[in-house]
Amino acid sequence: KAGVTQTPRYLIKTRGQQVTLSCSPISGHRSVSWYQQTPGQGLQFLFEYFSETQRNKGNFPGRFSGRQFSNSRSEMNVSTLELGDSALYLCASSLGGRGVDTQYFGPGTRLTVL
Amino acid sequence: QQQVKQSPQSLIVQKGGISIINCAYENTAFDYFPWYQQFPGKGPALLIAIRPDVSEKKEGRFTISFNKSAKQFSLHIMDSQPGDSATYFCAASRFGDYKLSFGAGTTVTVRA
Repeated sequence: KAGVTQTPRYLIKTRGQQVTLSCSPISGHRSVSWYQQTPGQGLQFLFEYFSETQRNKGNFPGRFSGRQFSNSRSEMNVSTLELGDSALYLCASSLGGRGVDTQYFGPGTRLTVL
Repeated sequence: QQQVKQSPQSLIVQKGGISIINCAYENTAFDYFPWYQQFPGKGPALLIAIRPDVSEKKEGRFTISFNKSAKQFSLHIMDSQPGDSATYFCAASRFGDYKLSFGAGTTVTVRA
């Protein structure tokens, strides 16, 4: 079974621009979560989607948004980029049931904001 | 605020030795405690996880110890190997909640 794929793997943007990152979950998985990883703040939860609905949200400004499509693929968007948005953005997929469920992470998208 | 505190930040161990990483949490609603391993250029991968109804769980060379009253849990890597050199993250969440709170990470270096 193919793992979680994220595109693009690397991205360079300038301040003020916006960016869209994509995540394809493992086949059959319906939950997709997004995390931001930085050296200073570590791994921080952004949001989680299940069946096209946002189920949970972290403490990030409204510039960070996401969505999920009917095939479970997900995108996250960051508008009006700031230097501090430079990070590795990780997506994780899971079956999405209400029990304990392993989250499988993708390799991430490395975003650099200049 | 960091809901899960992890220590040490880094450690060096000789091949065959034991690596110990400690984590403490604040939120008593947490009841799922996974550990993730991350290699450079890769996403985190689940290593082992525990729920508070058991005090210890072992999978191969990896053992989690859990102390509910102290709100602490730890990872022991027995017979450490050079291939174990990676960054390890503890995490916590509520049962059925996909919002993981991660510790800051521990970089483990195993010297041959």
